[in-house]
Amino acid sequence: KNEVEQSPQNLTAQEGEFITINCSYSVGISALHWLQQHPGGGIVSLFMLSSGKKKHGRLIATINIQEKHSSLHITASHPRDSAVYICAAGGGATNKLIFGTGTLLAVQP
Amino acid sequence: DTEVTQTPKHLVMGMTNKKSLKCEQHMGHRAMYWYKQKAKKPPELMFVYSYEKLSINESVPSRFSPECPNSSLLNLHLHALQPEDSALYLCASSHTGPTPDTQYFGPGTRLTVL
Repeated sequence: KNEVEQSPQNLTAQEGEFITINCSYSVGISALHWLQQHPGGGIVSLFMLSSGKKKHGRLIATINIQEKHSSLHITASHPRDSAVYICAAGGGATNKLIFGTGTLLAVQP
Repeated sequence: DTEVTQTPKHLVMGMTNKKSLKCEQHMGHRAMYWYKQKAKKPPELMFVYSYEKLSINESVPSRFSPECPNSSLLNLHLHALQPEDSALYLCASSHTGPTPDTQYFGPGTRLTVL
């Protein structure tokens, strides 16, 4: 069993739909990271959170420390949101990340 | 400047070649990372440097040799690689310390070993 699990692995949505990606972890963390990677591209950090909820534009990330669970929500999805979304558990002085397997999101017009 | 740069973008090398990947950041970050990413997989951590000293080596074969000549630069020296080492190599950087920090990733070097 992976230390960081994501679901679903693949997700297809229609433009405008509300999207949720889930992440569960079994390790102790300092923070939970959500990252975005477009095909063939580098990785962009979307959120780093250790409690509660953060919002940036149409993206919302939440975390429940007791349940070791985090969600990434995308409101009013758009085809440009199509990418791989990765959650990663971070901890330690070196900020080491343990990655989930990623969720491939395709938003169709 | 919140950019991590990596050169080259693409590299093709034979199994007997020696080559180097370069990573640079000017954000004052004192932690730098090398990751290897195979297609459709998440990144795998290879090395972590903290204050220019190697702090984590994830049991990487010795044909990969990291170097951190100063706080802004990170190199990965490659020698006698195998075709299965073909992958996207990503560099990242962050602050160090007791509080967690965002990692900033470079665009990667796509390596093909023939």
